[in-house]
Amino acid sequence: NAGVMQNPRHLVRRRGQEARLRCSPMKGHSHVYWYRQLPEEGLKFMVYLQKENIIDESGMPKERFSAEFPKEGPSILRIQQVVRGDSAAYFCASSPSREEGYTFGSGTRLTVV
Amino acid sequence: RKEVEQDPGPFNVPEGATVAFNCTYSNSASQSFFWYRQDCRKEPKLLMSVYSSGNEDGRFTAQLNRASQYISLLIRDSKLSDSATYLCVAYGQNFVFGPGTRLSVLP
Repeated sequence: NAGVMQNPRHLVRRRGQEARLRCSPMKGHSHVYWYRQLPEEGLKFMVYLQKENIIDESGMPKERFSAEFPKEGPSILRIQQVVRGDSAAYFCASSPSREEGYTFGSGTRLTVV
Repeated sequence: RKEVEQDPGPFNVPEGATVAFNCTYSNSASQSFFWYRQDCRKEPKLLMSVYSSGNEDGRFTAQLNRASQYISLLIRDSKLSDSATYLCVAYGQNFVFGPGTRLSVLP
């Protein structure tokens, strides 16, 4: 039973490019969460999705960031026109229900140059 | 005020020491609580859930005081491998992570 799979592990983008981060939840998990962790800082909630629906996006920046979790395929976190401040580790987590503990993927480390 | 606050750390302790982490949460509607550990440049991993009655898992003991909105984690007989950042989590509407407390166990 594979865990939460995130890819790529490392992503380098130039300022102004787009970054696409993928997350496949654990088998049987329909709840997906994205968190961002800046260097030496804590995890910050971004968005919570359940198949085809965004349940809570209160942590998402208003511009340039979007997320989806289609019926088929992985959840995607998309960052348009990246800036240096977007450099961070982006973690995806999944759970079988909203109240249960999350299982995290190994993260995608985005570096904007 | 942050929704979940933790001891600022870092904690540097010798092997075999007992170390306690404290955490407070501000949302009285929080329903579930957890401790995660995060190794450097790795993903957070669930360490244990926290129950009102307190729970123990080997050298680790977690306590919850709902009246004081306080959670604790006690590690006995600490090992070098316990060195990590410990994250307190409160679930209300969402999982809210504390900033973490870094622990270094020294030989």
